[in-house]
Amino acid sequence: SAVISQKPSRDICQRGTSLTIQCQVDSQVTMMFWYRQQPGQSLTLIATANQGSEATYESGFVIDKFPISRPNLTFSTLTVSNMSPEDSSIYLCSVAKTVGPGNTIYFGEGSWLTVV
Amino acid sequence: DAKTTQPPSMDCAEGRAANLPCNHSTISGNEYVYWYRQIHSQGPQYIIHGLKNNETNEMASLIITEDRKSSTLILPHATLRDTAVYYCIVRRTGANNLFFGTGTRLTVIP
Repeated sequence: SAVISQKPSRDICQRGTSLTIQCQVDSQVTMMFWYRQQPGQSLTLIATANQGSEATYESGFVIDKFPISRPNLTFSTLTVSNMSPEDSSIYLCSVAKTVGPGNTIYFGEGSWLTVV
Repeated sequence: DAKTTQPPSMDCAEGRAANLPCNHSTISGNEYVYWYRQIHSQGPQYIIHGLKNNETNEMASLIITEDRKSSTLILPHATLRDTAVYYCIVRRTGANNLFFGTGTRLTVIP
């Protein structure tokens, strides 16, 4: 398994500001992902964080709004830029230690953001 | 991804087996079935996954039908702490991530 720590766990943010969420894993992992879960909804994949290169974004998500960094095999950040109340969500980091079918993907506890 | 269909909610008596069904009739031959659960205010927790054969671990059993068009997650002795939303996910071939549906909200009743 993998132990995933996210910071902050919870925050209240002002409209128009930006917040960076950190994801730290206790061991090296091959894949890192960022998901969003809006209130009462299921999880939606934002992007795959690639080490040493630009993240791969899913349809509907753009780098200017959700810049992502991944400097090494155990750490990634997601920034939510120019926040609006619609960005109030849980943001989840997930990881996979190996690549390929049948591997296991683990999730962090999430970062609860409320934009006021 | 192969579409999955789950009942939106289920109840189960504490101490009894919880059987959560999932339909995935369009699944391809090399796509895995994964189950996760999400307890309120927490991140999704991995439960189990399988391809063709039935699987069992310390948390649950996964029964996949022979034609692979449906599966059942079995929690052998449900406790109140098993109350959660359970997601059945068919992971598409070559995909390194997971696409979540709406899941089944399981309520374990004392």
